[in-house]
Amino acid sequence: AQTVTQSQPEMSVQEAETVTLSCTYDTSESNYYLFWYKQPPSRQMILVIRQEAYKQQNATENRFSVNFQKAAKSFSLKISDSQLGDTAMYFCAFMKSGGSNYKLTFGKGTLLTVNP
Amino acid sequence: KAGVTQTPRYLIKTRGQQVTLSCSPISGHRSVSWYQQTPGQGLQFLFEYFSETQRNKGNFPGRFSGRQFSNSRSEMNVSTLELGDSALYLCASSLPGTGGPYNSPLHFGNGTRLTVT
Repeated sequence: AQTVTQSQPEMSVQEAETVTLSCTYDTSESNYYLFWYKQPPSRQMILVIRQEAYKQQNATENRFSVNFQKAAKSFSLKISDSQLGDTAMYFCAFMKSGGSNYKLTFGKGTLLTVNP
Repeated sequence: KAGVTQTPRYLIKTRGQQVTLSCSPISGHRSVSWYQQTPGQGLQFLFEYFSETQRNKGNFPGRFSGRQFSNSRSEMNVSTLELGDSALYLCASSLPGTGGPYNSPLHFGNGTRLTVT
């Protein structure tokens, strides 16, 4: 079974600064996907960024980037130029690849507050 | 394009009752997944349906069931409600295709907040 650990229950950052959220996972799979989702107070989970395990290049989406270390089983999220709208719960998630598997395993989340 | 729609948004039920939650996926999406979110356990996978067939199931008791209709809309049912079933229930849809969940990631609805008293 897979596990996802987010060791920072809460974090805060000043507007326009950079913050990094940590995520580690445990799996015996060699092929898988990793995701970061954000959940604002509206409750809707929104996909922030995704990474395929076999791709060594770190994914980037505008102000969001990841540091994917496969050997260390680490998948951290960096948010640059933080904005007030980035305030949300952030969840790291794992999904096995192959077949018809569409099950996400989530971490417990990190509550990020961006202060003006 | 309309997003994933979940109804109702809020629901209050009494222990022992049963409840049915509804999820309408994004048009064209054929896979629908359900997740339970609680403060203690976090987000946990319930089940996933594709073309009216349950493909994956999480570790929940048989009181939790679901189904999918030919138009891809899905319902989940919880019978004999317990206090511990109070949670936010999230539905997500996906358009399975080449590249799997990377190219066709899950799109979530706003959830149904179930309170059991």
